[in-house]
Amino acid sequence: GAGVSQTPSNKVTEKGKYVELRCDPISGHTALYWYRQSLGQGPEFLIYFQGTGAADDSGLPNDRFFAVRPEGSVSTLKIQRTERGDSAVYLCASSSTSGIAETQYFGPGTRLLVL
Amino acid sequence: RKEVEQDPGPFNVPEGATVAFNCTYSNSASQSFFWYRQDCRKEPKLLMSVYSSGNEDGRFTAQLNRASQYISLLIRDSKLSDSATYLCVVNYNQGGKLIFGQGTELSVKP
Repeated sequence: GAGVSQTPSNKVTEKGKYVELRCDPISGHTALYWYRQSLGQGPEFLIYFQGTGAADDSGLPNDRFFAVRPEGSVSTLKIQRTERGDSAVYLCASSSTSGIAETQYFGPGTRLLVL
Repeated sequence: RKEVEQDPGPFNVPEGATVAFNCTYSNSASQSFFWYRQDCRKEPKLLMSVYSSGNEDGRFTAQLNRASQYISLLIRDSKLSDSATYLCVVNYNQGGKLIFGQGTELSVKP
């Protein structure tokens, strides 16, 4: 079946611009996660949704970052006033529930480059 | 101190070698443990969960020592296709927030 998909696969933007990154989880998965991975590092948790609500947004670095999942399926990560330090791969994952031992399936990521 | 620490490597080994990766975690409340594999410029994929009694999946063996807060992964009879970065991962809250180590790079040579 279809896995997690993310668009765009690559995004180049200029410092100060606004970007939106989209994630389409596996059909039927209620939990959705966003992570950010910088070069040479492991993924870093940003936020996760159970259904439509953000259950844990403790990883969002500041108020420039915001994510929504209005219908409990597709999610959008929004970054305002981008900075060069925001350049990274943004990974989305989904799982059937948000249980502590549930397998998370990752999408291919969006590579964001802020010039 | 990072919550999950791994030796970044790289580990360069010949085909057929046995290689071991170690990982330590700082939060004693950690409840779930995993090894993920990440190929170059690809997404992480679950390799195996790690259970308290230790577990094996073919050539791969994972061990957990809760007292020492230590996790290991052993790969026997290394194949060229095992070349990747191996990520140690823990989960300590009731939701699905995963905490990743920085990854250990493995390169298996002919």
